[in-house]
Amino acid sequence: QVQLVESGGGVVQPGKSLRISCAASGFTFSPYSMHWVRQAPGKGLEWVAVISYNGINKYYADSVRGRFTISRDNSKDTLYLQMNSLRAADTALYYCARDNLGMGPAFDIWGQGTMVTVSS
Amino acid sequence: EIVMTQSPATLSVSPGERATLSCRASQSVSSNLAWYQQRPGQAPRLLIYVASTRATGIPARFSGSGSGTEFALTISSLQSEDFAVYYCQQYNDWPYSFGQGTKLEIK
Repeated sequence: QVQLVESGGGVVQPGKSLRISCAASGFTFSPYSMHWVRQAPGKGLEWVAVISYNGINKYYADSVRGRFTISRDNSKDTLYLQMNSLRAADTALYYCARDNLGMGPAFDIWGQGTMVTVSS
Repeated sequence: EIVMTQSPATLSVSPGERATLSCRASQSVSSNLAWYQQRPGQAPRLLIYVASTRATGIPARFSGSGSGTEFALTISSLQSEDFAVYYCQQYNDWPYSFGQGTKLEIK
């Protein structure tokens, strides 16, 4: 079935780095732009970053620009988020989501999320 | 940056009744708006896109309306599984932004 599965989350110290991944299956990954969205514990959704289908165009939220890098490997059907200089405020459940141009482009498929905790 | 404001923060409604949730954009987003449902412990699920089109598999009791800066999500007859948090999202301009959410609770 169509699904996105995130991995790579964990506990990391402030100032350190972490890379999380999102593996796609059940659909052709390469034509779709992909996003990362995060949710701090007990809080709402915050859009983080997007990458175009071919990996050329990337946009970031102000809160992560310069520290986070989104990338993808279409040969592996996988999306990545490299997170550097992590802060306590980056603690959240990180979701990847598919951007469906035929729907607006709304986010029609979401993963279950991977938890990132920044703490000393 | 476009700010999305949802109201109310919490809405208490009895099963079988109608619920209307509101979303306002700080500037026009045309019809480039989506609604998502998030149940406890689950990922968000797309309900409505381009302001009023139901996503695949979404029951007809869910309807969206509005354009420009004022939007609404209406659930015509609440079922037990509808009690959740609802988010609106604009994708008219970068950065894409979500509202803070409306929690729909059982009265």
